This record gives sequence, C-alpha cells and structure tokens, in this order.
Amino acid sequence: DARVTQTPRHKVTEMGQEVTMRCQPILGHNTVFWYRQTMMQGLELLAYFRNRAPLDDSGMPKDRFSAEMPDATLATLKIQPSEPRDSAVYFCASARQAPPLNTEAFFGQGTRLTVV
Amino acid sequence: AQSVTQPDIHITVSEGASLELRCNYSYGATPYLFWYVQSPGQGLQLLLKYFSGDTLVQGIKGFEAEFKRSQSSFNLRKPSVHWSDAAEYFCAVGANRGSQGNLIFGKGTKLSVKP
Repeated sequence: DARVTQTPRHKVTEMGQEVTMRCQPILGHNTVFWYRQTMMQGLELLAYFRNRAPLDDSGMPKDRFSAEMPDATLATLKIQPSEPRDSAVYFCASARQAPPLNTEAFFGQGTRLTVV
Repeated sequence: AQSVTQPDIHITVSEGASLELRCNYSYGATPYLFWYVQSPGQGLQLLLKYFSGDTLVQGIKGFEAEFKRSQSSFNLRKPSVHWSDAAEYFCAVGANRGSQGNLIFGKGTKLSVKP
C-alpha cells in the first residue's frame, strides 16, 4: 500500500531551536508539495518540487524556512530558528505529474509542530 | 492567480439528510478540481476529481460533484449523510497547463452530523 510517510508525527521544541521535518514521497512520484495548516490560515502551500527541483517556494518565509530534496526518496523542511508562530501541522504530499497532465496529490499524515 | 472559496465554514446536517458543500474557484482556464476530506488528526484523502469530460463526477463514499463553468463552481453533494461523514472538506484547484502543478486549497468546511 503506497503512501507518503512523514516523520516525526509530533514535535515539541523550544523557540530558537532548529526543526527538521522529513517526507518520503510515494515511489515513482516526481512532485512533492509542502503545506502548512493552521486554524487561521487553513492550508497554505509553502513550496513544491518537481524532479527534485524547486518550482515555487514563494509561500515560504525565506529567512527561516528552507526546503530541499537531497534525493528522489527524501524531502526535508527546516525551520531555523523556530518561533511560536510556526506552530502548525505541516503536510507533505506527492504526485506523479507530467505536463500537461497533472494528477491528484497524496498526502502524508502530517507533522504537528509545537514551538514553546 | 488561482484561488478557491468555500463560503461555509461549518455546516450541520442530520444523519440521512442530503448534503451540498459549496466551492467557487478562480482560474484563467479550465482548471483541475478536487475535493479532499480530512478526519481529525489525519491527512487529506481524495474524494473525487475533475479533469475534463463529464461535468458530473462520482467519487468514493457516495459523494459526487458537478463542475459548472458558467458559475465557476464545483459543489460537492451526497444524497444521504452518514455519521461517519463528519469531517472537514477541502476543495482545491490545480493548474493544468505547462509546468505548473501547484494545488491551491480553500479554507475548508467542517461538517457535523446530528443523530
């Protein structure tokens, strides 16, 4: 049963600490999305990659957030330094996309981040 | 720019009653449209999608949605709601041309089901 795997599922950290969230996309999927979900803003697209190259990271605060795909099986989202306002659920999703056909995204179960 | 509006933040229906969740989108061409459902503490699961062709699409769990280009809408419907349908529902629009592939979500509609 292919699925997107995110680790950790929960993370509590102190303000100022570095946080790294990891995502293993579904094998064969070439597109990876990072979303942040909060009560106030809903689901916000932070960044997405195709074939490991960043296509759009305009939704991501550049001063503290960074997203990478070291290889096709791993995507990372880092926050350094973390702040209480970063507390949210972070979702990774992957899709198999070959323009002009775009398929649906499959979501991981999310990382619930609490910054105290 | 793409955008999605879900006008209803919270809806309560009785079990067995019919359901319609509204979704309006903004996109310059024919979009790809999706409905996802999120149960508490879980990720998002795809209910159904529209890419092209028949404007009435069937999904899982007895849901359907109708694409109406003239109204820029993609409303989700179910004829008879079950208690297990209580969840949050998200409409999303995807770009369908060129190298774009981002998905933009509405803010969601929370569905509560009364016994």
